[in-house]
Amino acid sequence: DQQVKQNSPSLSVQEGRISILNCDYTNSMFDYFLWYKKYPAEGPTFLISISSIKDKNEDGRFTVFLNKSAKHLSLHIVPSQPGDSAVYFCAASAKYSNSGYALNFGKGTSLLVTP
Amino acid sequence: DGGITQSPKYLFRKEGQNVTLSCEQNLNHDAMYWYRQDPGQGLRLIYYSQIVNDFQKGDIAEGYSVSREKKESFPLTVTSAQKNPTAFYLCASNPDRDVGEQFFGPGTRLTVL
Repeated sequence: DQQVKQNSPSLSVQEGRISILNCDYTNSMFDYFLWYKKYPAEGPTFLISISSIKDKNEDGRFTVFLNKSAKHLSLHIVPSQPGDSAVYFCAASAKYSNSGYALNFGKGTSLLVTP
Repeated sequence: DGGITQSPKYLFRKEGQNVTLSCEQNLNHDAMYWYRQDPGQGLRLIYYSQIVNDFQKGDIAEGYSVSREKKESFPLTVTSAQKNPTAFYLCASNPDRDVGEQFFGPGTRLTVL
């Protein structure tokens, strides 16, 4: 049963505009959320994270928003650049779970930033 | 340079053969993880280890085995009992036995012929 859902398999955005990637989760025990960027045949690279005690975290062009009541988070990329084109995975973990601190991943959203 | 290495990058095996995927990290991390990625899917947890000589099954452990004899090494064996072993395998680690960022290796693409 998918506990982390990314309902948009793909997104296309023009260079310079905002990219918004969405993620929903079902497990209320999740208390730490991460976004990873991945290219084909490579390992994911960490982008940004947020703890459940916060509702926003910003790092340069990347901002993650967390709405705990809606069990929803989003990643904003402003401005979008062609180099941002990749698959973005949302992940979540729980401090107290029966899977250690393993990450639960969504299926990913493929972002294409066009010039 | 600190990091996680996985070898080989591409691996082919015949049906019915066991194969071992290597994962080594020099980050001095306690916890290590194995994930599997299939096309159009997220990463799914196979096994994890929070400390040397201890490991636990993840969501899809059937047909796989691991060992953790050294802190820096966490090899994964794909056995002949794994029904659909063709996939992209990713190893990860994190520094604390706590929630947080995980660092990933480059992955191994296993193809069963």
